[in-house]
Amino acid sequence: EPEVTQTPSHQVTQMGQEVILRCVPISNHLYFYWYRQILGQKVEFLVSFYNNEISEKSEIFDDQFSVERPDGSNFTLKIRSTKLEDSAMYFCASSERAHEQYFGPGTRLTVT
Amino acid sequence: QKEVEQNSGPLSVPEGAIASLNCTYSDRGSQSFFWYRQYSGKSPELIMFIYSNGDKEDGRFTAQLNKASQYVSLLIRDSQPSDSATYLCAVPAGGGADGLTFGKGTHLIIQP
Repeated sequence: EPEVTQTPSHQVTQMGQEVILRCVPISNHLYFYWYRQILGQKVEFLVSFYNNEISEKSEIFDDQFSVERPDGSNFTLKIRSTKLEDSAMYFCASSERAHEQYFGPGTRLTVT
Repeated sequence: QKEVEQNSGPLSVPEGAIASLNCTYSDRGSQSFFWYRQYSGKSPELIMFIYSNGDKEDGRFTAQLNKASQYVSLLIRDSQPSDSATYLCAVPAGGGADGLTFGKGTHLIIQP
């Protein structure tokens, strides 16, 4: 069964450093998403991506965040200058049509 | 901003009984509703979605939607210890490729 994959599973970085989180969506899916979940809190939407551009972004997705689909398979989330409060699980999701979203296993980001 | 409310629990149900999980949402215009299961330390897993008023059954799971009351529920029949997890209710933030707004989830414990 096809699934969303994410790398790395765990990323430790120092405050102020740039990180890139990588995702490979399910191959025939057209919609891509990033979410985050701070420990003990609810899953929060960051951004959606369709047809090679951002469809929607939340208030969390400020100028330090960017997304890219550099080739036909990868979908990346870049955080330019990490802050302590960026520590969270970051989930990538994809869907064939809007809304029925399938999540990857997540990347745990720890900012020290 | 759309809100999704769930009782955080824990909800404790004996093995073999029916577990009933509830969710209310704020936006009367919401058209689709999703239930995800999240095991501790894992990513959300889509288990049910429902678009129309009434019941939708899939194996041991039944989703129930009442748009007039802005209420959606998930019933799990013949509960198993492996059903112990946090169940997340989600609605799209808007139309198109918008992200999902999640509730905080209900922690379900199935007692052997």
